[in-house]
Amino acid sequence: KQEVTQIPAALSVPEGENLVLNCSFTDSAIYNLQWFRQDPGKGLTSLLLIQSSQREQTSGRLNASLDKSSGRSTLYIAASQPGDSATYLCAVGFQKLVFGTGTRLLVSP
Amino acid sequence: GAGVSQTPSNKVTEKGKYVELRCDPISGHTALYWYRQSLGQGPEFLIYFQGTGAADDSGLPNDRFFAVRPEGSVSTLKIQRTERGDSAVYLCASSPDSGNTGELFFGEGSRLTVL
Repeated sequence: KQEVTQIPAALSVPEGENLVLNCSFTDSAIYNLQWFRQDPGKGLTSLLLIQSSQREQTSGRLNASLDKSSGRSTLYIAASQPGDSATYLCAVGFQKLVFGTGTRLLVSP
Repeated sequence: GAGVSQTPSNKVTEKGKYVELRCDPISGHTALYWYRQSLGQGPEFLIYFQGTGAADDSGLPNDRFFAVRPEGSVSTLKIQRTERGDSAVYLCASSPDSGNTGELFFGEGSRLTVL
């Protein structure tokens, strides 16, 4: 059974810092890995999707990497801003996604 | 519409009552998914539709939960004899088709509270 773990559970940083969120999964036979953002009381916004044949994806200040052999993915956020404050969730699979419990990020002005 | 639409946004009901939650996917998306998110947890898969048929309902917790998508667009998640443990946010997502990248687009969710 696939299990997804996210570390740290919570992170607080001052504005401008670069930061890394970690995601690990137990079964390396994944199809996709997707990073989402969730604001309080809101739904999920897709940030980046990495297919199993890919190693990384970039969108603006975000970069996500995937290492299937070690069962890990990282989400790198450059020059963090207060507007980045949210919970970040990673999920693996195709259609039937398995989610981690998320990292709650707070960026202080 | 532009995004996945879910109604109601909030529903408070009493234990034992029947509840329906509605999802209107992005126009043209053939795949539709229901997930459930409890407080402090990541979403958990419930059921996935490809067109009108349920392709995978392995996540439905028991027979009190049922979902339909009669015309391949709007879907309704139905919960009978609600229990306090059913309290959660029910998220709906859609994707263009089953053969693409698999990127899911989520709605804002329906928050269900069972008293």
